[in-house]
Amino acid sequence: GAGVSQSPRYKVAKRGQDVALRCDPISGHVSLFWYQQALGQGPEFLTYFQNEAQLDKSGLPSDRFFAERPEGSVSTLKIQRTQQEDSAVYLCASRDPPSYEQYFGPGTRLTVT
Amino acid sequence: AQSVTQLDSQVPVFEEAPVELRCNYSSSVSVYLFWYVQYPNQGLQLLLKYLSGSTLVKGINGFEAEFNKSQTSFHLRKPSVHISDTAEYFCAVSEPGGTSYGKLTFGQGTILTVHP
Repeated sequence: GAGVSQSPRYKVAKRGQDVALRCDPISGHVSLFWYQQALGQGPEFLTYFQNEAQLDKSGLPSDRFFAERPEGSVSTLKIQRTQQEDSAVYLCASRDPPSYEQYFGPGTRLTVT
Repeated sequence: AQSVTQLDSQVPVFEEAPVELRCNYSSSVSVYLFWYVQYPNQGLQLLLKYLSGSTLVKGINGFEAEFNKSQTSFHLRKPSVHISDTAEYFCAVSEPGGTSYGKLTFGQGTILTVHP
């Protein structure tokens, strides 16, 4: 079926605003990852879900970042009280274990002004 | 902890010339290795992966890479590049199993620019 989709593709937020970024993984993929890609850098791991369970959130940079996947499919990454350093592309990827291949969405480019 | 170093941030090359993009990693355990390509305003696409077996792996678009355990390297090569290969390339590692559940650690990327 379709690949991983993310929305919105672009988001501009004023400093202090809350934002919500959505990820629709490939249907049936139990594993879902969020990564943050700062300008000129490689992606960095944020958090991992297996179905609805968040098994690893060690990469979330602060308690302003929160992710959920309540029904084991769509996931939302929420950033509260955005700061300029949150400006980045947020990538979502899904995987169908035992395969190790992750399929990436096009990303959401967040700009905090 | 794992880390990945891509030794060249930018690689310019002429069309039809060969190219090598270098990647070194460090890890205290065995790893799986990947190369991804990112075109402007697009997500990452897997080029090739090494999980086990033959150390020479072939991927899409004519790319190949060789895993060298003693040198902890996984360099990407293509014998003849095209203009359409212009993109950013990322090397990544993942721990098999364990608590990491396959999360990827990426290098900083190499921008390949192919000139006519």
